[in-house]
Amino acid sequence: GQNIDQPTEMTATEGAIVQINCTYQTSGFNGLFWYQQHAGEAPTFLSYNVLDGLEEKGRFSSFLSRSKGYSYLLLKELQMKDSASYLCAVRDGNAGNMLTFGGGTRLMVKP
Amino acid sequence: DAGVTQSPTHLIKTRGQQVTLRCSPISGHKSVSWYQQVLGQGPQFIFQYYEKEERGRGNFPDRFSARQFPNYSSELNVNALLLGDSALYLCASSLEGYNEQFFGPGTRLTVL
Repeated sequence: GQNIDQPTEMTATEGAIVQINCTYQTSGFNGLFWYQQHAGEAPTFLSYNVLDGLEEKGRFSSFLSRSKGYSYLLLKELQMKDSASYLCAVRDGNAGNMLTFGGGTRLMVKP
Repeated sequence: DAGVTQSPTHLIKTRGQQVTLRCSPISGHKSVSWYQQVLGQGPQFIFQYYEKEERGRGNFPDRFSARQFPNYSSELNVNALLLGDSALYLCASSLEGYNEQFFGPGTRLTVL
């Protein structure tokens, strides 16, 4: 089975930096994904990590440590539109590459 | 190009009824996955289909079934609906061998 943990809620200020952590336990790790989901909308892909290290994409970066079962999503220069839920998901290569999602972290960006 | 489409957008059913949800993947995508997302939680994997064959099944009862058609569209069926089946049902498609899954807008099912 798989277990994915991430904080339920976070609050940050416009223009600041925020780090959203995700820890996981899985038997057949085959990649970790971060998705953004605005209220009432579908999740949209942000990043993918399968090897240890940092992946940077504009204002968003994602880090993975496979030995620690740990990832984080870093959001820089926060904007009001970044207020959303951020979902961490792990792909299990032993289960048809299905994605298992964490509960999501609801980020509120304040002026 | 059109993204993943789902129908209907919203649906209201009563306990014990049956429901069929539909999904059309992005053109060229042969893999379709279904997820259930209860309010305030992350999506939970239900099924994955590739080339009309079931590739994976999540921890859902047999009341849930799905199929994929030759044009790669898919249907999710839920029988004997329970109040707890009320959720947003998401469909995602992907290219085999690629990492990103593209989600449709979802079908919001309410069971009364």
